[in-house]
Amino acid sequence: SYELTQPLSVSVALGQTARITCGGNNIGGKNVHWYQQKPGQAPVLVIYRDTNRPSGIPERFSGSNSGNTATLIIGRAQGGDEADYYCQVWDSSTGVFGGGTKLTVL
Amino acid sequence: QVQLQESGPGLVKPSETLSLTCTVSGRSISSYYWSWIRQPPGKGLDWIGYIYYTGSTNYNPSLKSRVTISIDTSKNQFSLKLSSVTAADTALYYCARGRWELLRGGLEFDSWGQGTLVTVSS
Repeated sequence: SYELTQPLSVSVALGQTARITCGGNNIGGKNVHWYQQKPGQAPVLVIYRDTNRPSGIPERFSGSNSGNTATLIIGRAQGGDEADYYCQVWDSSTGVFGGGTKLTVL
Repeated sequence: QVQLQESGPGLVKPSETLSLTCTVSGRSISSYYWSWIRQPPGKGLDWIGYIYYTGSTNYNPSLKSRVTISIDTSKNQFSLKLSSVTAADTALYYCARGRWELLRGGLEFDSWGQGTLVTVSS
């Protein structure tokens, strides 16, 4: 089965840029979606199909996807961005999520 | 704006069947793909399966033998049944709306319910 690898945790200084990676075999050939989950809340889609932002998601959130790594980029990080972030792809007719990354804003 | 709400028993005995319903409001269920996703306490997300409004289904191979997802378009609801549950099935269960991307295929989940905790215990 297809596996997605995310770092367990990422830290970023307030106002700086955070990068959260999602590794998978030839992930560049797949659509990658990213979800933000704050404690006690349901996940929220923040990036879909590699680079697209749903309405209501700040422009500070962006994404890239190439080769074996997809990246969620959060510019000008704020305290409200502290959350767990999950990448997700579709492989062999199955939804696959990464293990999640906890973002800490220092 | 679409809203999803899960409902069902919060406690299920081992070996019995877990049954949950998701009620969709604000949009007809007769389009999109409708999924169940679960999250064990303190862990990550696991996709369980989806149903299209036509009744077509697709399940995670790891759960396929125990899962049934059905839809009732007249009530704007879809449901999950998971049989022969064990403690490993204890999780927060989410229902979600999926959009299908034609070019490379696959779903992204753009709307989620708040989730319902199901505990498997005697």
